Amino acid sequence: EAGVVQSPRYKIIEKKQPVAFWCNPISGHNTLYWYLQNLGQGPELLIRYENEEAVDDSQLPKDRFSAERLKGVDSTLKIQPAELGDSAVYLCASSAGTEAFFGQGTRLTVV
Amino acid sequence: AQSVTQLGSHVSVSEGALVLLRCNYSSSVPPYLFWYVQYPNQGLQLLLKYTTGATLVKGINGFEAEFKKSETSFHLTKPSAHMSDAAEYFCAVSRTGTASKLTFGTGTRLQVTL
Repeated sequence: EAGVVQSPRYKIIEKKQPVAFWCNPISGHNTLYWYLQNLGQGPELLIRYENEEAVDDSQLPKDRFSAERLKGVDSTLKIQPAELGDSAVYLCASSAGTEAFFGQGTRLTVV
Repeated sequence: AQSVTQLGSHVSVSEGALVLLRCNYSSSVPPYLFWYVQYPNQGLQLLLKYTTGATLVKGINGFEAEFKKSETSFHLTKPSAHMSDAAEYFCAVSRTGTASKLTFGTGTRLQVTL
């Protein structure tokens, strides 16, 4: 069974440009998470979806970040415009209960 | 509010030696505790978790952790380190027994030397 798939794996953009990350969760997992992992830090939750509903987005910087999970399956996280401080790894995870399964992440570098 | 403190951002052990990675938590409610491992350029993988019941929890790859409420600790151990154990280890706390509302520590990088 395929795990959580994220793309792209790496992305380099100039500041003020937009960027989008895509996540395909494990089939049948209703819960989907986006985490931000800064260098040398643990992951921090940005947003959690239950099916297509965002049930916890309190840590998502809504002035520049947006996310969607149409049809309750794949999800996209967008940053517009990107800032230098957004350089980090963006992790997607999915869950059907007690355990979260993480993707390999997208490493974003903003120059 | 919940928080996790991992003592030691880097730990180095010799192959075959005991591995001890420290984790202390703070929680206003009975905590649920997790250890995750992250290999280079990989996502996080669950090693083990404590929800209720037995305080000594066994996980994958020979790791185990003991929940000590009096010490607010959940240290991760492995009797004999292997080269393949070299990775980043994260302790996490949650108010629920599920993956929701996980608060992670800053991680401990384990190095295993010959």
